[in-house]
Amino acid sequence: RKEVEQDPGPFNVPEGATVAFNCTYSNSASQSFFWYRQDCRKEPKLLMSVYSSGNEDGRFTAQLNRASQYISLLIRDSKLSDSATYLCVVKGYQKVTFGIGTKLQVIP
Amino acid sequence: EAQVTQNPRYLITVTGKKLTVTCSQNMNHEYMSWYRQDPGLGLRQIYYSMNVEVTDKGDVPEGYKVSRKEKRNFPLILESPSPNQTSLYFCASSSGLADYNEQFFGPGTRLTVL
Repeated sequence: RKEVEQDPGPFNVPEGATVAFNCTYSNSASQSFFWYRQDCRKEPKLLMSVYSSGNEDGRFTAQLNRASQYISLLIRDSKLSDSATYLCVVKGYQKVTFGIGTKLQVIP
Repeated sequence: EAQVTQNPRYLITVTGKKLTVTCSQNMNHEYMSWYRQDPGLGLRQIYYSMNVEVTDKGDVPEGYKVSRKEKRNFPLILESPSPNQTSLYFCASSSGLADYNEQFFGPGTRLTVL
């Protein structure tokens, strides 16, 4: 089983739609969690950290479920500019593991 | 401007010809790391460094070397490149491995080994 698993997609959604991505992780001792965004052939950039209580940043909401070992990202009112690959990142003791990413394409 | 720089950005080389990809950060970060990214495999960690003179293997260290003589620089060395090292390489840094420290990535180096 992979340490961090994501559905690679692609997810093709119309503008204005709500889309959700999930990510599961295998190490129950994992300590912190993130979503990074990566545009085509560019470097990953932090989108948001994911806290146990859940957190929101504008149209983006991240949730963590430690019992089931998954994190989620919800994007509301999708914009064309949201088209990118979203990477789930899990951090443990001296180790950072990336998922393969979920590709989102927002269609006009 | 706070940033991570990598050079070269693009490189085509031949099997066996030693090469070095440089990485430098100006944020006084202690933690630096190298990743390679391949289709279907995502980002995989090659080596990381917790501080000057402290380096450790990541998930895919074979065929690579690193050094950390200064805090700001973390070069990646391929002593004898092979075609299976053709990939997109990213250097990253962060202020440490405390729980929610953000990693900052360089722009990437696209390497082709013929």
